[in-house]
Amino acid sequence: GENVEQHPSTLSVQEGDSAVIKCTYSDSASNYFPWYKQELGKRPQLIIDIRSNVGEKKDQRIAVTLNKTAKHFSLHITETQPEDSAVYFCAARVTGANSKLTFGKGITLSVRP
Amino acid sequence: NAGVTQTPKFQVLKTGQSMTLQCAQDMNHEYMSWYRQDPGMGLRLIHYSVGAGITDQGEVPNGYNVSRSTTEDFPLRLLSAAPSQTSVYFCASRDQVNEKLFFGSGTQLSVL
Repeated sequence: GENVEQHPSTLSVQEGDSAVIKCTYSDSASNYFPWYKQELGKRPQLIIDIRSNVGEKKDQRIAVTLNKTAKHFSLHITETQPEDSAVYFCAARVTGANSKLTFGKGITLSVRP
Repeated sequence: NAGVTQTPKFQVLKTGQSMTLQCAQDMNHEYMSWYRQDPGMGLRLIHYSVGAGITDQGEVPNGYNVSRSTTEDFPLRLLSAAPSQTSVYFCASRDQVNEKLFFGSGTQLSVL
């Protein structure tokens, strides 16, 4: 089955700096890659996703890039703010009714004011 | 739309007790799932369902049962609770058009 890995497990940045979170996946058939953000004590929520037919997607201060050859994808957050502090989960799946979404273990991002 | 509704929010059980975590969604999603979240382990899939009457095992199914008699409801049953089942449990349903997962608010379960 699919294996998704995130490194490192924690990341600390200064407010205003950029943050990059990287994930690797194992199943070359995976074609859907979402990122979920979980604030302390809250439920995970989708912040951005990308499909394998594009290499990059942006939404205001966040962007995701995908390298299918290397089987890795990254979340980029620019001009970080304290409210960006959260746990970020990457995930991967092969689209289809019966396929499962496999999550990475999550990375805790801390934005220092 | 209420989205995904999970109950209870908190529960304390004694080893060996059984209980059911309730999950309901009002978005007419065919796909529903249960995850457990443990520190440093991420979100691990317990069971999932692609429609009423259909369920399947995820990554960590042992000790849990599910059923899907309606599109709206997907309860998770702990048959005989063990301390290893102390965790935060999330129910989620998936939009079949954009594939977005909608999570419930979670259940914090402690097994003593």
